[in-house]
Amino acid sequence: GAGVSQSPSNKVTEKGKDVELRCDPISGHTALYWYRQSLGQGLEFLIYFQGNSAPDKSGLPSDRFSAERTGGSVSTLTIQRTQQEDSAVYLCASSFWGSNQPQHFGDGTRLSIL
Amino acid sequence: GESVGLHLPTLSVQEGDNSIINCAYSNSASDYFIWYKQESGKGPQFIIDIRSNMDKRQGQRVTVLLNKTVKHLSLQIAATQPGDSAVYFCAENKGGATNKLIFGTGTLLAVQP
Repeated sequence: GAGVSQSPSNKVTEKGKDVELRCDPISGHTALYWYRQSLGQGLEFLIYFQGNSAPDKSGLPSDRFSAERTGGSVSTLTIQRTQQEDSAVYLCASSFWGSNQPQHFGDGTRLSIL
Repeated sequence: GESVGLHLPTLSVQEGDNSIINCAYSNSASDYFIWYKQESGKGPQFIIDIRSNMDKRQGQRVTVLLNKTVKHLSLQIAATQPGDSAVYFCAENKGGATNKLIFGTGTLLAVQP
């Protein structure tokens, strides 16, 4: 389809393991965002990529979290040494360049840390 | 261990009635607002947006009202249908270099047939 695609849709892993979450934005969207949604909560901003500019990492909760965006398209969010409090749904969104552009979301990756 | 339940504000309406979902935003510098609909197991779906230079915007069966004086946003859904049942989030964008959205906690809309 033409929407934001995220994989895997579900991930279960043991505490202490590293995980990688992938996001394919909508074609033509130059801005890409990661958010986290804990059970029953609103979305919490994590990181923002815009073109070739330095990403805004101000929402990353700890240095165990990192993200990259290769070739201005696909993005990977990596969580190292996972903890139980990292369990959440990780959502990716993309938008056209510029302020006040609506962000369109994928269906997220549901991460469960045992 | 004890489980923590969800305590989302809930709006229960009859099918065919109009629904009004309210949201208070936090930052007077915010210049862009969006309403999203989120169904179980899905990502947020864009419904409608409004810029701070407007006080009303209409879409198909939906209207968003913005009151900057009291920092209040509302979403009106006309002739509510069972398919409208979902959690609705408002989000604000403070502007600037990063278009990060600040989300409210959400309202659960339950449409009774």
